[in-house]
Amino acid sequence: EVQLVESGGGLVQPGRSLRLSCAASGFIFDDYAMHWVRQFPGKGLEWVSGISWNSGSIAYADSVKGRFTISRDNAKNSLYLQMDSLRDEDTASYYCAKDREGGRDYTLDVWGQGTTVTVSS
Amino acid sequence: DIQMTQSPSSLSASVGDRVTISCRASQRIATYLNWYQQKPGKAPKLLISATSNLQSGVPSRFSGSGSGTDFTLTISTLQPEDFATYYCQENYSTPPMFGQGTKVEIK
Repeated sequence: EVQLVESGGGLVQPGRSLRLSCAASGFIFDDYAMHWVRQFPGKGLEWVSGISWNSGSIAYADSVKGRFTISRDNAKNSLYLQMDSLRDEDTASYYCAKDREGGRDYTLDVWGQGTTVTVSS
Repeated sequence: DIQMTQSPSSLSASVGDRVTISCRASQRIATYLNWYQQKPGKAPKLLISATSNLQSGVPSRFSGSGSGTDFTLTISTLQPEDFATYYCQENYSTPPMFGQGTKVEIK
């Protein structure tokens, strides 16, 4: 069964850091690009960041550029999102999602269940 | 960034109804348009890719059409399990942008 499981969310103070992880199983992880997408409380979806199969191509939304870092460890079938200098407006559910291609096609055919990040003092 | 605008934002419909959701892009995106379904408390699920390609396991009552800037998701005969929020998403450029969603509610 193809599965993505996120972890690492929680309550954090503004300005602090948090690292999200996503464990993949059921498919050949290093064949596909991966992404993080967030959903604000009660609202819509925002793409956050994406990384190609070999980490050779990485992109970020302007809203997180310079603060968030995406990475992957293909040996561990894992995707990560290092979130620094967190702001109140980063409060959201964060989803890990699989691209249908190795480069960034942005068609997200498998999603994790999400992990919630709350930024508050 | 490309802006994606869905209409309506919400709709009420009955089981058996035909439902149409529109999505408009702020610039031409050919057929680089995906549709997702999200149920409360769940992750989004890819329904349709490249405007009209139904994903494996998605019922044939779902269909998509359009090109350029105007796209449509149609549910031919609404079923109880179809009550959800639907999002369009362009994958023409970086960053990929989502529409604001259309919530399909029970009348």
